[in-house]
Amino acid sequence: AQSVTQLGSHVSVSEGALVLLRCNYSSSVPPYLFWYVQYPNQGLQLLLKYTSAATLVKGINGFEAEFKKSETSFHLTKPSAHMSDAAEYFCAVSEEGMDTGRRALTFGSGTRLQVQP
Amino acid sequence: GAGVSQSPRYKVAKRGQDVALRCDPISGHVSLFWYQQALGQGPEFLTYFQNEAQLDKSGLPSDRFFAERPEGSVSTLKIQRTQQEDSAVYLCASSLGRGIIYEQYFGPGTRLTVT
Repeated sequence: AQSVTQLGSHVSVSEGALVLLRCNYSSSVPPYLFWYVQYPNQGLQLLLKYTSAATLVKGINGFEAEFKKSETSFHLTKPSAHMSDAAEYFCAVSEEGMDTGRRALTFGSGTRLQVQP
Repeated sequence: GAGVSQSPRYKVAKRGQDVALRCDPISGHVSLFWYQQALGQGPEFLTYFQNEAQLDKSGLPSDRFFAERPEGSVSTLKIQRTQQEDSAVYLCASSLGRGIIYEQYFGPGTRLTVT
């Protein structure tokens, strides 16, 4: 079974500082990996996705993530935090190769990012 | 439409009541998903439709939960005899195609509170 672990339910950074949100996955086959952002009272918005092409994936709003198979990790980073980045971030995994007909995502429990002025 | 819409946005039900939650996916999207998001948790998969066919309902927590998409567009999630543990945000997502490479677009959710 696939699973996702997000280390740190809350992360606080200063405006302009590096953002690092951690995600480790467990999957029996090469996975597809995603980062979503959720603002209050809004649906989830896709930041970026890894689909077995380049291991360094660039997304929207200056975010990027690197797929490291040896570490089973897919950490999300942004060089310089902005106040508008304050939100909940979710890492998710899906296994396209399994012949189950299942196309759903398995989400981590989320990391709330606070940005201090 | 511009995006996935859900109604109502907020629903308060007394324990034992039945509720129906509606999802309007993006026009032309083949796949439709329902997720349940408890407070402070990530979304958890409930069920998946490809057009009108419900291909996976392995995430439905009990037989009180029922979903349908009769014409392959609008979907309804029904919860019978609601319990307090059903309190959560119910998210709907749709995607253009069948494969996982197709982005899932999420609606704003329906927040269900069972009192």
